[in-house]
Amino acid sequence: DQQVKQNSPSLSVQEGRISILNCDYTNSMFDYFLWYKKYPAEGPTFLISISSIKDKNEDGRFTVFLNKSAKHLSLHIVPSQPGDSAVYFCAASGKMGNTGKLIFGQGTTLQVKP
Amino acid sequence: GAGVSQSPSNKVTEKGKDVELRCDPISGHTALYWYRQSLGQGLEFLIYFQGNSAPDKSGLPSDRFSAERTGGSVSTLTIQRTQQEDSAVYLCASSLDAGKPYGYTFGSGTRLTVV
Repeated sequence: DQQVKQNSPSLSVQEGRISILNCDYTNSMFDYFLWYKKYPAEGPTFLISISSIKDKNEDGRFTVFLNKSAKHLSLHIVPSQPGDSAVYFCAASGKMGNTGKLIFGQGTTLQVKP
Repeated sequence: GAGVSQSPSNKVTEKGKDVELRCDPISGHTALYWYRQSLGQGLEFLIYFQGNSAPDKSGLPSDRFSAERTGGSVSTLTIQRTQQEDSAVYLCASSLDAGKPYGYTFGSGTRLTVV
């Protein structure tokens, strides 16, 4: 049972354009959502997060949008840069024991072309 | 140390052998997590340690998998009688506060290949 889904395994965009990565979830108990970025041969690194009490959080070029009614979140990168090329994981956490345990999606590989 | 350290970085083992994967968390981090990433898959939760509490083992895929954390610091993930489906990148993460998931710091992982 995949509780967090990233249905697009890959995305290719031109440098300077917007990258939009999507994520869907099924568990309404999730109340905190995160995006991680992973380069080859490295561990994932935290990028941006959003609490369920918000619908938008912005940090520089990165903005995360949350639509609770649709159980959908998205990550926007504007403008995209070649260094943004990586695998992006969506993750969720919730009131399931408050352990901080994250449930991850399958990841989306972003390629930003110069 | 400055980050989460995992060893070995790569491990090739024969089917049926046992393997041990090691994780050194960031000093002072009380929460430690093991995940794995199989080819084409997301990050799958395996086990979680928090201080002296009983670990959350709910993600371990079979009884061939076990983990321990000694002295609240170093953790070892052991896979007995390895199978080809165990091939994956095993990632360890630590966190200062288990209630704050954005505090995760991941290691670079151990790539396990079972032949």
